Amino acid sequence: DGGITQSPKYLFRKEGQNVTLSCEQNLNHDAMYWYRQDPGQGLRLIYYSQIVNDFQKGDIAEGYSVSREKKESFPLTVTSAQKNPTAFYLCASSMRRGQGQETQYFGPGTRLLVL
Amino acid sequence: AQSVTQLDSQVPVFEEAPVELRCNYSSSVSVYLFWYVQYPNQGLQLLLKYLSGSTLVKGINGFEAEFNKSQTSFHLRKPSVHISDTAEYFCAVTPLGGYSTLTFGKGTMLLVSP
Repeated sequence: DGGITQSPKYLFRKEGQNVTLSCEQNLNHDAMYWYRQDPGQGLRLIYYSQIVNDFQKGDIAEGYSVSREKKESFPLTVTSAQKNPTAFYLCASSMRRGQGQETQYFGPGTRLLVL
Repeated sequence: AQSVTQLDSQVPVFEEAPVELRCNYSSSVSVYLFWYVQYPNQGLQLLLKYLSGSTLVKGINGFEAEFNKSQTSFHLRKPSVHISDTAEYFCAVTPLGGYSTLTFGKGTMLLVSP
């Protein structure tokens, strides 16, 4: 079955700790995205990547970092600089522009909680 | 830049009644439009999308939406809802040119009661 997997489902962070959220896709999609969801706020774009080894900041990139070493994987690190990390994090992917890139498909999400 | 306004944060409705969830957008360029559904503690699932062609778009689970360019709206409708339709619904847009970054509305919670 093709799809997007995110792990873990729940993640707990201590003060001053960096944590990494995993996102893997086997859809052969070129583009991948990270969103943050807070109650009543909709989804806000953190980072996105159109190709391997390249990524761009979204609207709320401060306190986050990403890498894109493989087409299938786009991990997100929540650093200690992110002072309010408690949220639901969603990963998405899409095809290349001109091949249906306009449609994004989402993973099941990771809920990050601060201890 | 684009913006999306979902006019109702919550819509309560009885089972088997019709429902309309409203979405208006603002953009200086032409856009593609989407509706997604999110069940509790899950990711987003694509309901339907408008890319071009007929302005009436049919999606999964009996939902449909109509694109109205003059009113910059993309309202979602279902003629008869079920308890299982209880979920949060998000409207989103992306511009035709440039990279495909989605701009989301803040969501509408559809609450279906017996």
